[in-house]
Parts: sequence; structure tokens; C-alpha cells
Amino acid sequence: IQLTQSPSFLSASVGDRVTITCRASQGVSSYLAWYQQKPGKAPKLLIFAASTLHSGVPSRFSGSESGTEFTLTISSLQPEDFATYYCQQLNTYPITFGQGTRLEIK
Amino acid sequence: QVQLVESGGGVVQPGGSLRLSCAASGFTFSSYGMHWVRQAPGKGLQWVAFIRYDGDEKYFADSVKGRFTVSRDNSKNTLFLQMNSLRPEDTSVYYCVKDRTLGATFGIGFDFWGQGTLVTVSS
Repeated sequence: IQLTQSPSFLSASVGDRVTITCRASQGVSSYLAWYQQKPGKAPKLLIFAASTLHSGVPSRFSGSESGTEFTLTISSLQPEDFATYYCQQLNTYPITFGQGTRLEIK
Repeated sequence: QVQLVESGGGVVQPGGSLRLSCAASGFTFSSYGMHWVRQAPGKGLQWVAFIRYDGDEKYFADSVKGRFTVSRDNSKNTLFLQMNSLRPEDTSVYYCVKDRTLGATFGIGFDFWGQGTLVTVSS
């Protein structure tokens, strides 16, 4: 299953609301997760089952799904949110990741 | 707290072998599926392999199938990745990752990651 994220690069300011989209090439039910990765660090789980916030993740992060399209929304960007974000499908092996969305400070 | 500590990375020539280990602590290792995920320098994440909590079910990425094997020793809380016939394109940081879902083959997320170990395949 291929996952296509858009955009690949996003420039935004502190306080902005941003949305990242992940489109699956076929249905994945709700077996879709989102991760945040900062340079030189391991990824961190943000959202699982398409819309459930992982423990300890700020509530400004949210996820939604509509068919094979999934979105990650950050309601009000904070300085620590500038990172690369990946979606992942766990519905079918091989597990696949999107290509990533790099979020940078404008 | 959950800890996953990888070891065994290094520089190896094309065609060579390497065995990665991952020491797990802070959770009931024998109850969770485990994965290996890799990331080539400057590139995105690629899932590599999965092993079920009891070791009886395994899956591999097509790019490593037949060359890599995954195993676990639940008595020692340790995960392994045996990598044979290594190629330059296998050069990556390899992460040991815990599945969030207790006792399942199909989980819903990867909740803990190790710090990664770098494997470089070069002559």
C-alpha cells in the first residue's frame, strides 16, 4: 500500500494552523498512525487509529479520516512542532510510511 | 520506563553480514510484537521486519526478504536482526521498535523506539 503525503514541505509561523494530508492507494481501515521526527532523533508516535491521540501528546494535534484520505492538523503551531511528520499504515504487511512532510519556520 | 537499546552496528563490506541486537526493558517484552525500522541518511522511514510476541509469525520488507532474519529471546528480553548479503543500499540507521498493541500481529502504532544504530555498507 502506497501512502502519499502532501505537501512534502511546509513553511509556517508560530500560531498558524496547519494540515498535512496522507492518501492511501487502497483502504487501510483506521490502521493509520502519525509520527513526528526531529533531526538526529527517533520518531515519536503522535496519533494512532487515525484519530486517537497518543499519551502525552498535546491536544493541539488531531487526526481525521475520510475514506482513504487522512489528515494531521496542528491547531496552533508551537516552536517545538517544527519537525518532519510521517504517516504510516499498519493494515497490511508490508507496513509502509509516507515520504514525510518537513515543517519549517517561516 | 520503557527502554530499547540497539547495538551491533558498524561498517561492513558489500556481501558481508552483521547482527543487530536490541535490549528491551521497562515492559513485558514477551507480550509485544517488535519491529525493525530503518532510515537511510537524509531519507524517510522504511519498515524492515516484524516478529510476533512469541516469535511464531514474521514479516519482512520485500527489499530484505531472503537476506535478513529476525528473532527474539524472550528469556533475555532481546530482539535480533541478522543481516546477510548486505548491499550499499542497506546503509541506514536501524531502529528497534515496540508495537503498541498487546499480543497482536496487526497493531495500531509504534509507541517506543530505540535510539538507533548505524549500519554502513561500503568497500
